[in-house]
Amino acid sequence: GEDVEQSLFLSVREGDSSVINCTYTDSSSTYLYWYKQEPGAGLQLLTYIFSNMDMKQDQRLTVLLNKKDKHLSLRIADTQTGDSAIYFCAEKEADYKLSFGAGTTVTVRA
Amino acid sequence: DTGVSQDPRHKITKRGQNVTFRCDPISEHNRLYWYRQTLGQGPEFLTYFQNEAQLEKSRLLSDRFSAERPKGSFSTLEIQRTEQGDSAMYLCASSLDGGNEKLFFGSGTQLSVL
Repeated sequence: GEDVEQSLFLSVREGDSSVINCTYTDSSSTYLYWYKQEPGAGLQLLTYIFSNMDMKQDQRLTVLLNKKDKHLSLRIADTQTGDSAIYFCAEKEADYKLSFGAGTTVTVRA
Repeated sequence: DTGVSQDPRHKITKRGQNVTFRCDPISEHNRLYWYRQTLGQGPEFLTYFQNEAQLEKSRLLSDRFSAERPKGSFSTLEIQRTEQGDSAMYLCASSLDGGNEKLFFGSGTQLSVL
C-alpha cells in the first residue's frame, strides 16, 4: 500500500482547468513531486516543490502545498488533449527514495 | 545525451528463465535507481547506486534479483528463475546527488513471464 493517496480518475473538458489532488503522510518530507506518464512510456518530471513553499507556478502548472493537512495539488490551466495521461504524486521519503501514489488518470474530452 | 535509456523495451520469457535488463543513465549523473511498476500502481523503489556502490535494497528485491553498476556508468538488473509475479515494468532513473534529487526516468522494460 502507499502512504501517498490520489483519486484514480479525472475527466476534464478541453480548455478547462484540471486539478489533481494528493495526500501524503510523512510530515518530514522535504520535496514533493508531480510526474506524468503517457501510455507505454516512463515517467516525466513535471514539477516539484520544496516543503517550505506554499505555491509554485511553472507556465500552465501551479502546485499548491498545504503542509498542515499534508495535501498537495496540481492545477493545469487550459487543459489540452496532450495532457491526457496518468499523473503521479510522489514524496521524498528518504535521501534516496521516492514514494509514489497510484496515479490519477486524466482524460481530456473535446 | 538525451536522457536515460533502457534496453530492451519489452521482454517475454518463460517461467524459470533468467533475464537481464540494461540501463544507461544520463552521463553526468552519479546516482542510479531501479523501480518496479505493476499495472494500476505507482513505481516502487527496488535499489539504488551511488557511483558503483549499491547502497540500499528494498525488501521487494528477493535473492533472485541482482543489480550491478560495475564502472559507475551503466547498470544491469538480472532476475533469475523468473516467476509470473515478476511481470511488471522495470524502470531505471538517474539523478545528481544532493539537493532536490530530481529523478529522470527511462522508458522502462516491460517484462512478461509466461
